[in-house]
Amino acid sequence: GEDVEQSLFLSVREGDSSVINCTYTDSSSTYLYWYKQEPGAGLQLLTYIFSNMDMKQDQRLTVLLNKKDKHLSLRIADTQTGDSAIYFCAEYTGTASKLTFGTGTRLQVTL
Amino acid sequence: SQTIHQWPATLVQPVGSPLSLECTVEGTSNPNLYWYRQAAGRGLQLLFYSVGIGQISSEVPQNLSASRPQDRQFILSSKKLLLSDSGFYLCAWSSRTESTDTQYFGPGTRLTVL
Repeated sequence: GEDVEQSLFLSVREGDSSVINCTYTDSSSTYLYWYKQEPGAGLQLLTYIFSNMDMKQDQRLTVLLNKKDKHLSLRIADTQTGDSAIYFCAEYTGTASKLTFGTGTRLQVTL
Repeated sequence: SQTIHQWPATLVQPVGSPLSLECTVEGTSNPNLYWYRQAAGRGLQLLFYSVGIGQISSEVPQNLSASRPQDRQFILSSKKLLLSDSGFYLCAWSSRTESTDTQYFGPGTRLTVL
Protein backbone atom coordinates (compact mmCIF):
# COMPACT_ATOMS: atom_id res chain seq x y z
CA GLY A 1 0.00 0.00 0.00
CA GLU A 2 0.93 3.65 -0.34
CA ASP A 3 -0.84 5.31 2.60
CA VAL A 4 1.04 8.23 4.09
CA GLU A 5 -0.13 9.31 7.54
CA GLN A 6 0.46 12.45 9.56
CA SER A 7 -0.98 13.87 12.74
CA LEU A 8 -3.46 16.65 12.05
CA PHE A 9 -2.29 19.37 14.36
CA LEU A 10 0.76 20.58 16.28
CA SER A 11 1.07 23.63 18.47
CA VAL A 12 4.43 24.99 19.64
CA ARG A 13 5.68 28.17 21.26
CA GLU A 14 7.81 30.60 19.35
CA GLY A 15 11.48 29.78 19.79
CA ASP A 16 10.87 26.10 20.56
CA SER A 17 11.60 23.25 18.18
CA SER A 18 8.83 21.63 16.17
CA VAL A 19 8.83 18.01 15.13
CA ILE A 20 6.37 16.91 12.50
CA ASN A 21 6.05 13.19 11.93
CA CYS A 22 5.03 11.07 8.97
CA THR A 23 4.68 7.34 8.44
CA TYR A 24 4.46 5.55 5.15
CA THR A 25 3.90 1.95 4.16
CA ASP A 26 5.63 1.53 0.81
CA SER A 27 9.12 0.20 1.46
CA SER A 28 10.12 0.81 -2.15
CA SER A 29 9.89 4.58 -1.76
CA THR A 30 13.01 6.19 -3.15
CA TYR A 31 12.51 9.84 -2.28
CA LEU A 32 10.57 11.47 0.52
CA TYR A 33 9.54 15.10 0.53
CA TRP A 34 8.37 17.87 2.81
CA TYR A 35 6.17 20.64 1.48
CA LYS A 36 4.84 23.73 3.23
CA GLN A 37 1.50 25.35 2.46
CA GLU A 38 0.67 28.79 3.79
CA PRO A 39 -2.98 29.91 3.90
CA GLY A 40 -4.47 30.38 0.44
CA ALA A 41 -1.24 29.48 -1.33
CA GLY A 42 0.20 26.59 -3.27
CA LEU A 43 2.65 24.04 -1.88
CA GLN A 44 6.25 25.09 -1.46
CA LEU A 45 8.94 22.43 -1.63
CA LEU A 46 11.01 22.60 1.57
CA THR A 47 13.36 19.68 1.25
CA TYR A 48 13.62 16.06 0.26
CA ILE A 49 15.71 13.07 1.26
CA PHE A 50 16.87 10.08 -0.69
CA SER A 51 15.99 6.74 0.83
CA ASN A 52 19.63 5.74 1.35
CA MET A 53 20.13 8.67 3.72
CA ASP A 54 19.32 8.82 7.42
CA MET A 55 19.45 12.55 7.91
CA LYS A 56 19.54 15.77 5.98
CA GLN A 57 20.02 19.22 7.44
CA ASP A 58 19.27 22.52 5.77
CA GLN A 59 19.58 25.59 8.00
CA ARG A 60 16.76 25.33 10.58
CA LEU A 61 15.34 22.18 9.01
CA THR A 62 16.43 18.64 9.86
CA VAL A 63 14.91 15.62 8.18
CA LEU A 64 15.27 12.21 9.78
CA LEU A 65 14.44 9.00 7.98
CA ASN A 66 14.01 5.62 9.65
CA LYS A 67 13.52 3.16 6.81
CA LYS A 68 13.10 0.20 9.13
CA ASP A 69 10.08 1.81 10.77
CA LYS A 70 9.03 3.72 7.62
CA HIS A 71 9.10 6.91 9.64
CA LEU A 72 9.99 10.38 8.42
CA SER A 73 10.24 13.50 10.55
CA LEU A 74 10.82 17.18 10.00
CA ARG A 75 12.37 19.19 12.80
CA ILE A 76 12.19 22.97 12.68
CA ALA A 77 14.59 24.64 15.07
CA ASP A 78 13.77 28.00 16.67
CA THR A 79 10.23 27.96 15.32
CA GLN A 80 8.92 31.36 14.23
CA THR A 81 5.40 32.66 13.64
CA GLY A 82 6.14 32.60 9.92
CA ASP A 83 6.46 28.83 10.17
CA SER A 84 2.73 28.54 10.87
CA ALA A 85 1.38 26.54 7.94
CA ILE A 86 0.29 23.08 6.85
CA TYR A 87 3.16 20.68 6.27
CA PHE A 88 2.80 17.76 3.88
CA CYS A 89 5.09 14.79 3.55
CA ALA A 90 5.10 12.87 0.28
CA GLU A 91 6.74 9.73 -0.99
CA TYR A 92 7.87 8.86 -4.49
CA THR A 93 7.89 5.25 -5.56
CA GLY A 94 9.34 4.26 -8.90
CA THR A 95 6.83 1.46 -9.26
CA ALA A 96 3.87 3.84 -9.14
CA SER A 97 5.84 6.69 -10.74
CA LYS A 98 3.99 9.31 -8.77
CA LEU A 99 4.01 11.23 -5.53
CA THR A 100 1.68 10.18 -2.72
CA PHE A 101 0.92 12.93 -0.23
CA GLY A 102 0.11 12.69 3.43
CA THR A 103 -2.94 14.35 4.92
CA GLY A 104 -0.97 17.33 6.19
CA THR A 105 -0.09 18.62 9.67
CA ARG A 106 -1.22 22.09 10.67
CA LEU A 107 1.54 23.79 12.68
CA GLN A 108 0.42 26.61 14.94
CA VAL A 109 3.10 28.80 16.49
CA THR A 110 2.06 30.72 19.57
CA LEU A 111 3.75 33.66 21.25
CA SER B 1 14.32 29.66 -13.81
CA GLN B 2 11.02 27.85 -14.03
CA THR B 3 7.73 29.42 -13.07
CA ILE B 4 4.21 28.10 -13.03
CA HIS B 5 1.11 30.23 -13.40
CA GLN B 6 -2.52 29.55 -12.71
CA TRP B 7 -5.57 31.63 -13.43
CA PRO B 8 -7.92 32.76 -12.34
CA ALA B 9 -6.86 33.02 -8.73
CA THR B 10 -10.45 32.87 -7.49
CA LEU B 11 -13.69 31.96 -9.17
CA VAL B 12 -17.33 31.86 -8.08
CA GLN B 13 -19.59 29.93 -10.41
CA PRO B 14 -23.24 28.79 -10.27
CA VAL B 15 -24.14 25.13 -10.31
CA GLY B 16 -24.50 23.87 -13.86
CA SER B 17 -22.16 26.42 -15.41
CA PRO B 18 -19.00 25.44 -17.35
CA LEU B 19 -15.47 25.70 -16.01
CA SER B 20 -12.07 26.33 -17.49
CA LEU B 21 -8.95 26.68 -15.36
CA GLU B 22 -5.61 27.26 -16.97
CA CYS B 23 -2.08 26.40 -15.95
CA THR B 24 1.09 27.33 -17.82
CA VAL B 25 4.73 26.59 -17.11
CA GLU B 26 7.69 28.68 -18.20
CA GLY B 27 11.37 27.89 -18.35
CA THR B 28 11.22 24.17 -19.02
CA SER B 29 10.30 21.80 -21.83
CA ASN B 30 8.36 18.54 -21.86
CA PRO B 31 7.26 18.75 -18.24
CA ASN B 32 4.97 16.32 -16.51
CA LEU B 33 1.85 18.25 -15.52
CA TYR B 34 -0.62 17.57 -12.74
CA TRP B 35 -4.00 18.78 -11.48
CA TYR B 36 -4.84 18.33 -7.81
CA ARG B 37 -7.86 19.28 -5.75
CA GLN B 38 -7.67 20.19 -2.12
CA ALA B 39 -10.89 20.24 -0.13
CA ALA B 40 -11.29 22.23 3.07
CA GLY B 41 -7.60 23.15 3.25
CA ARG B 42 -6.52 19.58 3.81
CA GLY B 43 -5.15 16.69 1.79
CA LEU B 44 -4.41 16.63 -1.90
CA GLN B 45 -6.30 14.52 -4.39
CA LEU B 46 -4.60 13.87 -7.71
CA LEU B 47 -7.13 14.43 -10.49
CA PHE B 48 -5.14 14.24 -13.73
CA TYR B 49 -1.58 13.99 -14.92
CA SER B 50 0.01 14.35 -18.33
CA VAL B 51 3.36 13.25 -19.68
CA GLY B 52 2.96 14.98 -23.05
CA ILE B 53 0.72 16.88 -25.44
CA GLY B 54 -2.64 15.17 -25.74
CA GLN B 55 -1.69 12.52 -23.16
CA ILE B 56 -3.97 12.68 -20.14
CA SER B 57 -4.39 10.14 -17.36
CA SER B 58 -7.33 10.38 -15.00
CA GLU B 59 -6.92 9.23 -11.44
CA VAL B 60 -10.53 9.36 -10.28
CA PRO B 61 -13.86 9.37 -12.11
CA GLN B 62 -15.52 12.74 -11.79
CA ASN B 63 -17.28 15.65 -13.36
CA LEU B 64 -14.03 17.14 -14.65
CA SER B 65 -11.79 16.71 -17.67
CA ALA B 66 -8.31 17.88 -18.58
CA SER B 67 -6.55 18.77 -21.79
CA ARG B 68 -3.01 19.63 -22.81
CA PRO B 69 -3.17 21.51 -26.08
CA GLN B 70 0.44 22.73 -25.85
CA ASP B 71 3.58 21.40 -24.20
CA ARG B 72 3.45 23.79 -21.27
CA GLN B 73 -0.29 24.37 -21.00
CA PHE B 74 -2.69 22.30 -18.94
CA ILE B 75 -6.41 23.02 -18.76
CA LEU B 76 -9.01 21.73 -16.34
CA SER B 77 -12.61 21.84 -17.55
CA SER B 78 -16.15 20.95 -16.72
CA LYS B 79 -19.30 21.19 -18.81
CA LYS B 80 -21.60 21.49 -15.77
CA LEU B 81 -20.30 22.27 -12.31
CA LEU B 82 -21.60 20.56 -9.19
CA LEU B 83 -21.56 21.89 -5.65
CA SER B 84 -19.04 19.20 -4.80
CA ASP B 85 -16.58 20.67 -7.32
CA SER B 86 -15.83 23.51 -4.90
CA GLY B 87 -12.27 23.47 -3.64
CA PHE B 88 -8.75 24.67 -4.13
CA TYR B 89 -7.25 23.49 -7.43
CA LEU B 90 -3.51 23.18 -7.72
CA CYS B 91 -1.44 22.65 -10.81
CA ALA B 92 2.07 21.22 -10.56
CA TRP B 93 4.91 20.29 -12.85
CA SER B 94 7.89 17.97 -12.65
CA SER B 95 10.85 17.37 -14.87
CA ARG B 96 10.84 14.24 -17.00
CA THR B 97 14.63 14.21 -17.04
CA GLU B 98 14.94 13.75 -13.28
CA SER B 99 14.93 10.36 -11.63
CA THR B 100 12.55 11.66 -8.99
CA ASP B 101 9.14 13.19 -9.38
CA THR B 102 9.88 16.40 -7.50
CA GLN B 103 6.81 18.48 -8.11
CA TYR B 104 6.58 22.27 -8.10
CA PHE B 105 3.22 23.83 -7.48
CA GLY B 106 1.40 26.84 -8.79
CA PRO B 107 -0.41 29.38 -6.59
CA GLY B 108 -3.77 27.63 -6.95
CA THR B 109 -7.31 28.59 -7.94
CA ARG B 110 -10.04 28.87 -5.30
CA LEU B 111 -13.32 27.68 -6.87
CA THR B 112 -16.64 28.20 -5.13
CA VAL B 113 -19.73 26.68 -6.71
CA LEU B 114 -23.00 28.17 -5.44
